[in-house]
Amino acid sequence: QKEVEQNSGPLSVPEGAIASLNCTYSDRVSQSFFWYRQYSGKSPELIMSIYSNGDKEDGRFTAQLNKASQYVSLLIRDSQPSDSATYLCAVSGSNYQLIWGAGTKLIIKP
Amino acid sequence: EPEVTQTPSHQVTQMGQEVILRCVPISNHLYFYWYRQILGQKVEFLVSFYNNEISEKSEIFDDQFSVERPDGSNFTLKIRSTKLEDSAMYFCASSETEGTNYGYTFGSGTRLTVV
Repeated sequence: QKEVEQNSGPLSVPEGAIASLNCTYSDRVSQSFFWYRQYSGKSPELIMSIYSNGDKEDGRFTAQLNKASQYVSLLIRDSQPSDSATYLCAVSGSNYQLIWGAGTKLIIKP
Repeated sequence: EPEVTQTPSHQVTQMGQEVILRCVPISNHLYFYWYRQILGQKVEFLVSFYNNEISEKSEIFDDQFSVERPDGSNFTLKIRSTKLEDSAMYFCASSETEGTNYGYTFGSGTRLTVV
């Protein structure tokens, strides 16, 4: 059974600080890794994708991938109250299917 | 920005009734998906659809479920005889290439409540 694990939180971070979100996955052959943001009652919104080991930066977001440790993380710099949401880690389970973590609830405190 | 459109946004149905959830994928996308999310739980894959046939389905997608692309724009999910445990948010998604290459664009979802 392919699994994606995340700490459910909530993770509380002061405004302006760095939020660090983590995810581990079980399937060593997974090739694609995604971070989605989900506001309550809304659909997931893709914010970052990463495919090779190392860091990938996009604005205030940095995704980090370590395939040897089967570990993906997301850093959010200069956290804003609007970043408060649940962050979902998703990992490719096949050509078509993503396997999802349960999400980490992030709260940015003004 | 192109959107995936889902209707209705909320549907209430009686147990045992048939429901059809509708989706209009982004026009140049070729791959279509249904996912569901039971309240407070993980997003779960149901089915992927490409070239007018199912390319992959999960264990959840049993004989009670079916998908169809009846015309060039709509993509539907039918649940033949709804159960209480089918209550969930159902998300349609589409992608230009195989979804796990670049991720999906999700619709806003249909909240299905079975009573």
